Amino acid sequence: ETGVTQSPTHLIKTRGQQVTLRCSSQSGHNTVSWYQQALGQGPQFIFQYYREEENGRGNFPPRFSGLQFPNYSSELNVNALELDDSALYLCASSEGGAGTDTQYFGPGTRLTVL
Amino acid sequence: AQSVTQLDSQVPVFEEAPVELRCNYSSSVSVYLFWYVQYPNQGLQLLLKYLSGSTLVESINGFEAEFNKSQTSFHLRKPSVHISDTAEYFCAVMNSGYSTLTFGKGTMLLVSP
Repeated sequence: ETGVTQSPTHLIKTRGQQVTLRCSSQSGHNTVSWYQQALGQGPQFIFQYYREEENGRGNFPPRFSGLQFPNYSSELNVNALELDDSALYLCASSEGGAGTDTQYFGPGTRLTVL
Repeated sequence: AQSVTQLDSQVPVFEEAPVELRCNYSSSVSVYLFWYVQYPNQGLQLLLKYLSGSTLVESINGFEAEFNKSQTSFHLRKPSVHISDTAEYFCAVMNSGYSTLTFGKGTMLLVSP
């Protein structure tokens, strides 16, 4: 069974640029959630996709957007990068949209905005 | 809205000593509770979870946590820690009916010889 994978591992961008982060969900999982973990903080929920539809969104501006593909992999896009966007971005997959589903996390993408 | 408070940002302890990492939550509805562990430069790994049933839940590596509804707590305990338990521990809550997690700020467990 393949776990959750994310790419790239690290990324350096400058303010104003755009970035795309990728996530492959665990086999059999149709739900993907994205979280932002700033240094010294707990992860904060960005949004969730269930069967290619957005299924909930946290308190993040519209320049954070996402996609889920038919194979349930997912992308997180961030436009007009700001310094405060520097963080570890975590992707988690789960089996379905039910509230009891355990979320399994990938290793994360470390984004640095200069 | 729900929230999670982890009262200690850092807990230093000697090897083989017992430890308790505290977690309190607030929510107006029924919740599910989780503990995740994060080793340096890695993602989060599920340690244990409470969904329903017995209020005492255990992990395979000796940790346990007890759901206390009246005190809205889900403290994590281990009777004897190892050096390898050094990591950041996150408590998280999920509202029943939703599938998104709200995390605390984390507690760094530092185990020294």
